[in-house]
Amino acid sequence: AQSVTQLDSQVPVFEEAPVELRCNYSSSVSVYLFWYVQYPNQGLQLLLKYLSGSTLVKGINGFEAEFNKSQTSFHLRKPSVHISDTAEYFCAVTEYNFNKFYFGSGTKLNVKP
Amino acid sequence: EAGVAQSPRYKIIEKRQSVAFWCNPISGHATLYWYQQILGQGPKLLIQFQNNGVVDDSQLPKDRFSAERLKGVDSTLKIQPAKLEDSAVYLCASSSSRGTIEQFFGPGTRLTVL
Repeated sequence: AQSVTQLDSQVPVFEEAPVELRCNYSSSVSVYLFWYVQYPNQGLQLLLKYLSGSTLVKGINGFEAEFNKSQTSFHLRKPSVHISDTAEYFCAVTEYNFNKFYFGSGTKLNVKP
Repeated sequence: EAGVAQSPRYKIIEKRQSVAFWCNPISGHATLYWYQQILGQGPKLLIQFQNNGVVDDSQLPKDRFSAERLKGVDSTLKIQPAKLEDSAVYLCASSSSRGTIEQFFGPGTRLTVL
């Protein structure tokens, strides 16, 4: 089974500062990678996904992530955060047949004014 | 288009009671998922349906949890009897077909077992 590690449970950052949320996965086989965002009392919303091709993936709300196969990582970045980015972010992985998604434990991003 | 609907949004019960959650996926979506999200953890898949058939229920505690999707549209997840450790948010998601990239999530049902 896959495992997804999000080492940082909470990340505080000031508004307009850059941020990186880290994600590492365990699989050595081909995988597809996702980042979801969860606002309070809401379901998960897809931010971006990596399936193939360019290792730098751009998503909604100015977020991007880079797939690094050698380091089995898929870190999420944003050059300048806004208060509205305060939410919990989940990294997820699935193998090529999309049969099952495995989620990390989440990182709470707290953007301070 | 309407999103994934879930009800109730919140439920408080005592241990050993029964509870049921309802999910209505996006119209036309053949695949439906139920996840359990315990506080501080990521969602964990409980069961996956393709139309009205079960694709994966390997992580469903079958001694107390059951789920059905009789007509291949809406679905019900039941817990009977509930335990304290069942306190969690239960998320329903749907996708247009098995093997589709994106899952669309409902707002979840927050269950508290006292």
